[in-house]
Amino acid sequence: GAVVSQHPSRVICKSGTSVKIECRSLDFQATTMFWYRQFPKKSLMLMATSNEGSKATYEQGVEKDKFLINHASLTLSTLTVTSAHPEDSSFYICSANRAGRAEQETQYFGPGTRLLVL
Amino acid sequence: KQEVTQIPAALSVPEGENLVLNCSFTDSAIYNLQWFRQDPGKGLTSLLLIQSSQREQTSGRLNASLDKSSGRSTLYIAASQPGDSATYLCAVSPDSWGKLQFGAGTQVVVTP
Repeated sequence: GAVVSQHPSRVICKSGTSVKIECRSLDFQATTMFWYRQFPKKSLMLMATSNEGSKATYEQGVEKDKFLINHASLTLSTLTVTSAHPEDSSFYICSANRAGRAEQETQYFGPGTRLLVL
Repeated sequence: KQEVTQIPAALSVPEGENLVLNCSFTDSAIYNLQWFRQDPGKGLTSLLLIQSSQREQTSGRLNASLDKSSGRSTLYIAASQPGDSATYLCAVSPDSWGKLQFGAGTQVVVTP
């Protein structure tokens, strides 16, 4: 159990277009999901915390108008990279905690989405 | 500001040797620490989670220790196998609500 999926796994887009990445918890409900970005051979950097039914909380330095996050249900959060540019090319990973847990338990990570902006 | 460092950045060992991976963090006020495994181009798999009140956790060939006061954790992998080849990441959480701060990882290669 506790599977998190991401779609698409890879996407190539032209500069200036917008790309939507989905993160789904397949067999559990997640009130909180997290979005991370990872550069080659670098650590994961937390971008934002996505809470179901409310606005996402962005980390310092992350443009909220650039990276739109929607957590419309207990099993789905989406990250939209608006007006993508080559510097947005990266590996984006989401994670989820189970709903109903007062304390954090192990986070479950999605397989990641590789974005390449030409 | 919390900083998480992992040393070494890369490690290559022959099959059968024990692996020792180090993680240090600058702010000892952590809620827990986790070790993850990441295969190339893939997401993360949680290996071990150590609460701040705990000293170690064990799972099979894996053992992780935590010395919160000195800001250190060590992941031991006994009798390494080629299938253990991956990048190992440690991450600390400041509170109970899930935000993680990651180290850059240690890339491990176990040669047959």
